[in-house]
Amino acid sequence: GAVVSQHPSRVICKSGTSVKIECRSLDFQATTMFWYRQFPKKSLMLMATSNEGSKATYEQGVEKDKFLINHASLTLSTLTVTSAHPEDSSFYICSARGAERYQETQYFGPGTRLLVL
Amino acid sequence: SQKIEQNSEALNIQEGKTATLTCNYTNYSPAYLQWYRQDPGRGPVFLLLIRENEKEKRKERLKVTFDTTLKQSLFHITASQPADSATYLCALELSGGYNKLIFGAGTRLAVHP
Repeated sequence: GAVVSQHPSRVICKSGTSVKIECRSLDFQATTMFWYRQFPKKSLMLMATSNEGSKATYEQGVEKDKFLINHASLTLSTLTVTSAHPEDSSFYICSARGAERYQETQYFGPGTRLLVL
Repeated sequence: SQKIEQNSEALNIQEGKTATLTCNYTNYSPAYLQWYRQDPGRGPVFLLLIRENEKEKRKERLKVTFDTTLKQSLFHITASQPADSATYLCALELSGGYNKLIFGAGTRLAVHP
């Protein structure tokens, strides 16, 4: 149990375009989802936290108009990187937390590698 | 300032030995401390969670200790195997809010046959 998927696993796009990344909890309902980015050999940096049906809470320094987060259902959250630039290239990872036995920790997706040319 | 520190250098050990990884933190009061394993190009995988009122927790070959006075956690892998080679991340879970996790940078473990 507690499987989280992400799609796509990797994406290459041109500068100025927008990219959408999906995060799904496959076998439990995720009351809270988190989005992180990770640079090579660096720690995971939390970008935002979202609860189903609510606006996301962004960490300091993360542009909410740049990184649009939608958590429309208990199994799906999306991160849209708008007008992507090369400095947005990174590894984006989502995680999900549920209720009862799924509330103890966060369950992570496999990550999405974004390369902006 | 708030910090979470893990050994930045890789830990190289021989198969069968016990690996010990350290996580130190300053200016945090975590409700929980968690350990994750991360393989290259993959998301973290949850291993163990220890609460602030617990001293030690075990799961198969894994053992975690938590000293809130020293602000330190030790993560042990006994009878290590080459398959244990990965980066191990410690994460603090802060109380209140949405239970955010604050991650250390991780320690890379290499177990040699």
